Amino acid sequence: SQTIHQWPATLVQPVGSPLSLECTVEGTSNPNLYWYRQAAGRGLQLLFYSVGIGQISSEVPQNLSASRPQDRQFILSSKKLLLSDSGFYLCAWSVRGGLDTQYFGPGTRLTVL
Amino acid sequence: DQQVKQNSPSLSVQEGRISILNCDYTNSMFDYFLWYKKYPAEGPTFLISISSIKDKNEDGRFTVFLNKSAKHLSLHIVPSQPGDSAVYFCAARQGGSEKLVFGKGTKLTVNP
Repeated sequence: SQTIHQWPATLVQPVGSPLSLECTVEGTSNPNLYWYRQAAGRGLQLLFYSVGIGQISSEVPQNLSASRPQDRQFILSSKKLLLSDSGFYLCAWSVRGGLDTQYFGPGTRLTVL
Repeated sequence: DQQVKQNSPSLSVQEGRISILNCDYTNSMFDYFLWYKKYPAEGPTFLISISSIKDKNEDGRFTVFLNKSAKHLSLHIVPSQPGDSAVYFCAARQGGSEKLVFGKGTKLTVNP
């Protein structure tokens, strides 16, 4: 069966510090991978998605970037965090070319102070 | 422009009764719709989906109805249980796209 991991589970970072969140998927190959953010009281905002290694599509211009160095690894980064980057970050995967049911990881709660 | 709308931010229902969560969409090119359930501090969990070629899909206590002419779908939970208390997200996919568009969610509270 497929499993998706995210770490860390919680993170408190000062403004201006760098960020690296990691997501890995097990039990599948060539997945589509996604990063979402849920701000307090808001819905799910798609940040980035990837259909293959090194292929990143950005949905919202912002202070964040994403990379996919391996087939089942997706990384969300920032060089300098802003207060507005606080939120709940979710990684998801789906079968490439499938019906696009996306399966989510447990999430990372990021607080920027 | 919000293509998927969940106009009720919250809904409160008595245990054992029916919960009806609603979702409207504007993009007629959407061909696949999903409902997710989310507990606080957890990732959303896939509940049920429906293709645009159908108007109903049922899975246990959960039924999704799709009205394409009205661009409306709904999730029925019967009977509602306290463990169903969560935020429910509606999502939609446009044919050929690798992305889902999510609504803002409806918080369901089922009272014992």
